[in-house]
Amino acid sequence: QYVLTQPPSASGTPGQRVTISCSGSSSNIGSNYVYWYQQLPGTAPKLLMYRNDQRPSGVPDRFSGSKSGTSASLAISGLRSEDEADYYCAAWGDRLNGYVFGTGTKVTVL
Amino acid sequence: QITLKESGPMLVKPTQTLTLTCSFSGFSLSTRGVAVGWIRQPPGKALEWLALLYWDDDKRYSPSLKNRLTVTTDTSSRNQVLLTMTNVDPLDTGTYYCAHTSGYEFDYWGPGTLVTVST
Repeated sequence: QYVLTQPPSASGTPGQRVTISCSGSSSNIGSNYVYWYQQLPGTAPKLLMYRNDQRPSGVPDRFSGSKSGTSASLAISGLRSEDEADYYCAAWGDRLNGYVFGTGTKVTVL
Repeated sequence: QITLKESGPMLVKPTQTLTLTCSFSGFSLSTRGVAVGWIRQPPGKALEWLALLYWDDDKRYSPSLKNRLTVTTDTSSRNQVLLTMTNVDPLDTGTYYCAHTSGYEFDYWGPGTLVTVST
């Protein structure tokens, strides 16, 4: 039931830039906004990005989002140890008439 | 300040019906555009959207689970949303979250409640 595909893992050293991709289709990412959630170990998900590239209040500008066609990306620049978490993309699916989450990416800070 | 909290049984037996409650404060489900969603996460796996209950009582369900899910407001309290899942299976084991949205993004989440389906 996961129609948004993400790489299972990504990693980088402190200070590096890490990018996470999210691939969908014309009926979800291609026609709707993309959202990103960060889930720190043992906690509930937190909204990290909305409407493709908008940061909620309190989210550092080290995080940035973009969308092109049926794919989206989340970039983390100046990677920090506290960024070690699972990241999920999401979008509304027109065909499903419901919300769809990505498969999730675990970011490790080496 | 918007807060949500999930509650319900920690352990249910296969084939039973599971009912979870989302108790919230800081917003009204009568406000235009507001909705409460349910999302679950099996242990070690990804998030899965289950259902949405809108301010106007419109409802949306995951196509793969819609025959087993019902989302409603508690008749005695408009500050509670109930999720009922029938005929549970061990594969339904996981942490269940409720979350607030006033658009499409889930901007406030409850801490989650772990449900185990087992004999």
